[in-house]
Amino acid sequence: DAMVIQNPRYQVTQFGKPVTLSCSQTLNHNVMYWYQQKSSQAPKLLFHYYDKDFNNEADTPDNFQSRRPNTSFCFLDIRSPGLGDAAMYLCATSRGLTGSNYEQYFGPGTRLTVT
Amino acid sequence: AQKVTQAQTEISVVEKEDVTLDCVYETRDTTYYLFWYKQPPSGELVFLIRRNSFDEQNEISGRYSWNFQKSTSSFNFTITASQVVDSAVYFCALMDSSYKLIFGSGTRLLVRP
Repeated sequence: DAMVIQNPRYQVTQFGKPVTLSCSQTLNHNVMYWYQQKSSQAPKLLFHYYDKDFNNEADTPDNFQSRRPNTSFCFLDIRSPGLGDAAMYLCATSRGLTGSNYEQYFGPGTRLTVT
Repeated sequence: AQKVTQAQTEISVVEKEDVTLDCVYETRDTTYYLFWYKQPPSGELVFLIRRNSFDEQNEISGRYSWNFQKSTSSFNFTITASQVVDSAVYFCALMDSSYKLIFGSGTRLLVRP
């Protein structure tokens, strides 16, 4: 089945130790998104890629970076995780950015713990 | 500015009861899309429905139904004969010309046996 895959499902990292979260998709979608979702809150968009074009949200901290080496994979790098970065990180994809192409498909998420 | 309000933070019902989740949105655009997502305890956001602003027809899918009313800027979601498996957090979301998915704060639904 075509899907959005996130690895690992649970990640524990130490304060200040760089960590990378992975997302892959078999949907062949053009757009890939990263969201941060803290407990009991709505998902918050961090950035997205349309093909290789990177679009950062204005309020996304510099501590968060992303890479998309090819259509299928997208990575979220947290350079120096703080305790406040503990959250669920959701990856999503869509065919495009407009109209009927905008339906977003989400992965199962990676729950990040910072110790 | 765009905004989605889900006033119900948490709802608890007994199995087989009907339940309606409210969603009110704000946008200045005439073309926009509304969505509902389900987030079970496992964490994945599951797409339920998309509705565009030009289609005010109500939709029914099995036990789920959606009522879209532009006059009141509402897009409410009803689950008929609720089941324990319906327990989840449900998010309403809006996409307009900003090309971002703006989520409401979510409604946690607990269906008790």
